[in-house]
Amino acid sequence: EAGVTQSPTHLIKTRGQQATLRCSPISGHTSVYWYQQALGLGLQFLLWYDEGEERNRGNFPPRFSGRQFPNYSSELNVNALELEDSALYLCASSLSFPLHFGNGTRLTVT
Amino acid sequence: GIQVEQSPPDLILQEGANSTLRCNFSDSVNNLQWFHQNPWGQLINLFYIPSGTKQNGRLSATTVATERYSLLYISSSQTTDSGVYFCAVEGPMGDYKLSFGAGTTVTVRA
Repeated sequence: EAGVTQSPTHLIKTRGQQATLRCSPISGHTSVYWYQQALGLGLQFLLWYDEGEERNRGNFPPRFSGRQFPNYSSELNVNALELEDSALYLCASSLSFPLHFGNGTRLTVT
Repeated sequence: GIQVEQSPPDLILQEGANSTLRCNFSDSVNNLQWFHQNPWGQLINLFYIPSGTKQNGRLSATTVATERYSLLYISSSQTTDSGVYFCAVEGPMGDYKLSFGAGTTVTVRA
């Protein structure tokens, strides 16, 4: 069974640009979660999507947004990139608990 | 929100040694997971353990929910056990939002 897959593995953007990160959940999972792991800040909850709807949101500005598609895959969009957005972005999926994480996308903003 | 404290922050072990990692949380929890993050950033699910005791090979975990703590035991440590171990909990709201501790960095020396 394939795990959670994320793309791209690495992404380099310039301040002010937009970044799009993608996540495919484990087959059968309807929920997708996004977490940010920034240096010195630990793992922080960003967004939770279930059945195509945003169900919960962490303490992040509106320029962090996303969506979930009918096939349950998900996109995370970060607009107007700032240097402090540089981080490892981890996607997880589940039907309920436990959550299963992908390998992450490392975003570098220069 | 719920606070998660992990101890010790750093642990250096000789190969073959045993160790105990601790996770304290500030409120009742609905769910609890232990993860291992390897040097490449992969977050691997070790245990889903909101209560009770589980074992998987050389690893075992115990959660005493009424006393608000969980323990992860590593026996006969190997160099591949090196990495960061995270405890993550879902608080009493049941909002599918995992709050992570700061992690314990384990280094196993040959």
